[in-house]
Amino acid sequence: GENVEQHPSTLSVQEGDSAVIKCTYSDSASNYFPWYKQELGKRPQLIIDIRSNVGEKKDQRIAVTLNKTAKHFSLHITETQPEDSAVYFCAATWYSSASKIIFGSGTRLSIRP
Amino acid sequence: GAVVSQHPSRVICKSGTSVKIECRSLDFQATTMFWYRQFPKQSLMLMATSNEGSKATYEQGVEKDKFLINHASLTLSTLTVTSAHPEDSSFYICSASGRKNTEAFFGQGTRLTVV
Repeated sequence: GENVEQHPSTLSVQEGDSAVIKCTYSDSASNYFPWYKQELGKRPQLIIDIRSNVGEKKDQRIAVTLNKTAKHFSLHITETQPEDSAVYFCAATWYSSASKIIFGSGTRLSIRP
Repeated sequence: GAVVSQHPSRVICKSGTSVKIECRSLDFQATTMFWYRQFPKQSLMLMATSNEGSKATYEQGVEKDKFLINHASLTLSTLTVTSAHPEDSSFYICSASGRKNTEAFFGQGTRLTVV
């Protein structure tokens, strides 16, 4: 079945610096890659997503890149702020409402003031 | 985005009893609902997928007789944890998607504590 690996498990960066989280997936049929932010005890929130027909997508301070050949995708957060501290999950799925989402193991991001 | 409401947000039950968790889509028809379990500091692990009007599909290792899922309407799915034990204590989250939206919208989660 589909497997999504995520690294690092924890990440601490200085406020204002950039943070990068990397994921790999196993199922070449996956074509939709959402990223979620989860604060303690709360539901995951979709922050950005990318489909396999594009290589990069950006939304203000957040960007995601995808390398289909290598089955790698990454989340980039620039100019980090304290409110960026949370757990981030990558995921992979097939672009369909009925497709199950397989989550990575998560990255706990801490922003140092 | 669409709204998915999950109830209750917290529940404490005695070992051996059953607990029902509801997941409702408030402003769209949820053709598919997913149930996840999340242990502390871990990822969301998919338990089962349910499509309206049909039996749920359970992931490997998830006991279907222990975690009963019902998706009888396009706006409601329920998860019943039967004969709960302390090891069932966890954060349970549902998500729902409809015909027109591929994005899955999450409920707020239910923290179950079995004592």
